[in-house]
Amino acid sequence: EPEVTQTPSHQVTQMGQEVILRCVPISNHLYFYWYRQILGQKVEFLVSFYNNEISEKSEIFDDQFSVERPDGSNFTLKIRSTKLEDSAMYFCASSLYQGDYGYTFGSGTRLTVV
Amino acid sequence: AQTVTQSQPEMSVQEAETVTLSCTYDTSESDYYLFWYKQPPSRQMILVIRQEAYKQQNATENRFSVNFQKAAKSFSLKISDSQLGDAAMYFCAYRSRYGGSQGNLIFGKGTKLSVKP
Repeated sequence: EPEVTQTPSHQVTQMGQEVILRCVPISNHLYFYWYRQILGQKVEFLVSFYNNEISEKSEIFDDQFSVERPDGSNFTLKIRSTKLEDSAMYFCASSLYQGDYGYTFGSGTRLTVV
Repeated sequence: AQTVTQSQPEMSVQEAETVTLSCTYDTSESDYYLFWYKQPPSRQMILVIRQEAYKQQNATENRFSVNFQKAAKSFSLKISDSQLGDAAMYFCAYRSRYGGSQGNLIFGKGTKLSVKP
């Protein structure tokens, strides 16, 4: 069964450093998403991406965040200057349609900012 | 804004027994989708079951079924013949049909299910 692949599974970074989280969505999917889950809290929507541009973003997704689909297969989330509160599990997801049938999630990247 | 509430942080069930996980949501919309996702220790979020709000019939997927009560805004998950592999975190999620930032998945806090052999 097709999978969404995320790398790395765990990343530790120093506060103020830039970090890039990588995702390979399912190849025929058209919609891509990033969600995050701070330990013990809800899974929260960050951003959705379609047709090579951001379609929606939440209040969390401020100027420190950016997304890119550089080569037609990878989908990346960049955090420019990490803060302690960015420590969370970050999930990438993709869907063929606009999410009406649910999304396929990756296994997540645990980001720890020290 | 829509919200999703899972009132049971943890549940436990004996292997082969049946367990029901609760979920309530708040919305002013009439057309939407509801989902249950499973997150095992591997951390991957796996879609378990999906319900369309305009369909009165409750969705079923093998041992998993839902009790969708639209008027009560309730969407519980029933797991029959529980297996050890069902042990996981279960998330209820809502998605508006109409797009916008609320047109993405809104999750509850999750229920941790343990299965006793």
